[in-house]
Amino acid sequence: SQQGEEDPQALSIQEGENATMNCSYKTSINNLQWYRQNSGRGLVHLILIRSNEREKHSGRLRVTLDTSKKSSSLLITASRAADTASYFCATVSTGANNLFFGTGTRLTVIP
Amino acid sequence: GAVVSQHPSWVICKSGTSVKIECRSLDFQATTMFWYRQFPKQSLMLMATSNEGSKATYEQGVEKDKFLINHASLTLSTLTVTSAHPEDSSFYICSARGEREIRYEQYFGPGTRLTVT
Repeated sequence: SQQGEEDPQALSIQEGENATMNCSYKTSINNLQWYRQNSGRGLVHLILIRSNEREKHSGRLRVTLDTSKKSSSLLITASRAADTASYFCATVSTGANNLFFGTGTRLTVIP
Repeated sequence: GAVVSQHPSWVICKSGTSVKIECRSLDFQATTMFWYRQFPKQSLMLMATSNEGSKATYEQGVEKDKFLINHASLTLSTLTVTSAHPEDSSFYICSARGEREIRYEQYFGPGTRLTVT
């Protein structure tokens, strides 16, 4: 299976704290993407990082990529209750067109 | 821009019946569409990839005779779950990619929740 794994599976933090989620994958990739999904809803694209990039920022989001370890992390700073959602990493393998999703992290931000 | 819709948003059907789910790209032409299924509290699993005007490519373990995919136009793809069973109950999500998007940018629909009784 090309599916990646994320940890933790679930994370509960207080509003204002930072949340860090990790993703590990198995294949050589072209890029890695992070998505957010509110309960029972579709996915929202958050950020894309290419295989030749090591770090990327977008607002309160910071993504890192370590291709030698086949891992990525998503940091959400100064979390808000509205950040409560499931977060998925997804990879595009080298030479492929498809996205393969990780197992996801369910984040709960307590007001 | 880049809006993808799905219809219906939810459906309940009886075991043995067939259900059709539509996926539309509203403001762009989708040369490629993807269908995913998601079980509760689990990740998205790619079911199949369809290119406009050609047969869908199914992932290993997905029954192509059970999950019929048609991508007849550049704005519409349909997934028909034939002879549905309770174990087919799931959240089905489509995504679409257009000609001008770089090869790995996909836009996701809001999903369709199927419940088979």
